This record gives sequence, structure tokens and C-alpha cells, in this order.
Amino acid sequence: EVQLVESGGGLVQPGGSLRLSCAAPGFTVSSNYMSWVRQAPGKGLEWVSVIYNAGGTHYADSVKGRFTISRDNSKNTMYLQMNSLRAEDTAVYYCANSVAGYFDYWGQGTLVTVSS
Amino acid sequence: DVQMTQSPSTLSASVGDRVTITCRASQSISSWLAWYQQKPGKAPKLLIYKASSLESGVPSRFSGSGSGTEFTLTISSLQPDDFATYYCQQYNSYWTFGQGTKVEIK
Repeated sequence: EVQLVESGGGLVQPGGSLRLSCAAPGFTVSSNYMSWVRQAPGKGLEWVSVIYNAGGTHYADSVKGRFTISRDNSKNTMYLQMNSLRAEDTAVYYCANSVAGYFDYWGQGTLVTVSS
Repeated sequence: DVQMTQSPSTLSASVGDRVTITCRASQSISSWLAWYQQKPGKAPKLLIYKASSLESGVPSRFSGSGSGTEFTLTISSLQPDDFATYYCQQYNSYWTFGQGTKVEIK
């Protein structure tokens, strides 16, 4: 069974940094597209970033230049390095797997709170 | 960027009702559309992909239709487990979600 497990969320001050992890026991993260999707409290879903199986990346305009997506194939883990965090980055962050464009498997989410 | 607009934002319905949610894309996305169900505190769950293909394990009361810019999600007979928020998502050009439709108990 495909399982995605996020970690690394927490409380951080505006301007601070945080790194999220998404571990994938049971399948290979480098074989599919892997994305981060976030959901601010009481709001809808927002796609944040993708890393393709070949290693290319893409970002939403709202995080471009501040967030970096990466993966470590030896650890079978994907990451999201978040710098220059703002209050509007407060959200639950989900990692999601995509074989054919849509997101077929999701993690349980990790909460990031940006506040002083 | 492709914008996705869902309607209605909230829908009040009773068990057994037929429910339809509409999703419109700002430009043609062919059939590259998915529908998700999300319950409070949980991750979204895939229901429909490629506009009308039912994900494995999803009850057949869920169906999707449409192509181009207009899409619908239909629940043929609403069940107690179906009260949730539903999102459409285009994956023709990167990814964009609709704002969501909350299905509430009438």
C-alpha cells in the first residue's frame, strides 16, 4: 500500500525557515511526480510545488524564490525547504503522488504556523 | 494560468438527494480534470480522474462528466458519508483547484 508521511511542521517566526519532509515507505519517490499542496486554515487547496521523476521542478508564483523542493533518492524522501516565511504561508502542507497528472495518494499533512 | 470556478460554494441536501456540482475552467483543459472529497481534518481523497473515470474503490453513485471548460460531479443518491467538501482540479497546465463546494445536511 502506498503511504506518504509528512513531518517537520511547527511554529516559526515571520522571516524564518523550516524544512518539511515526505517519506514514502512502499514505493519509490523518484518514479513519479511528487507535489506539495497546502491548505490555509478554513480555506481551499493550493498547489505549491512539484518535482518530476526526471528531477525538474516548478513552483507556484506565491512561493517562487522562497521555497525549494528536492528529494533524496537514497532516503526515498522528498523535501520542501521554506525560507522567508510569511504569515500567509500558515497552512497544513500535504505531499501528494501523481502518476498520470492527478493526485492519487496524499499524506496526512503537517501544520506550519508562521507567527511572532 | 488556468482558473477553476466551482458552484455552488455551499449546498444543503438530504440523504437520498441527487446532487450536482459544477466546475468551470477559464480555458479549455480537454478532459484533464479530477474531483476530490475532503472531510474535516483529513487529506483529500481522489474520486474521479480524466473528467469521468471512477477511481478504484469509489462508490458508483459518484460520476463525473464534461470536457473543455464545463464539468460536473454528480452524486446520484446522497449518503450520510458523503457530507464533505468537494474540489475540482485541473491538471492540463500545472495544477489548479476550484475553491470547493461544501455539501451540508439540510
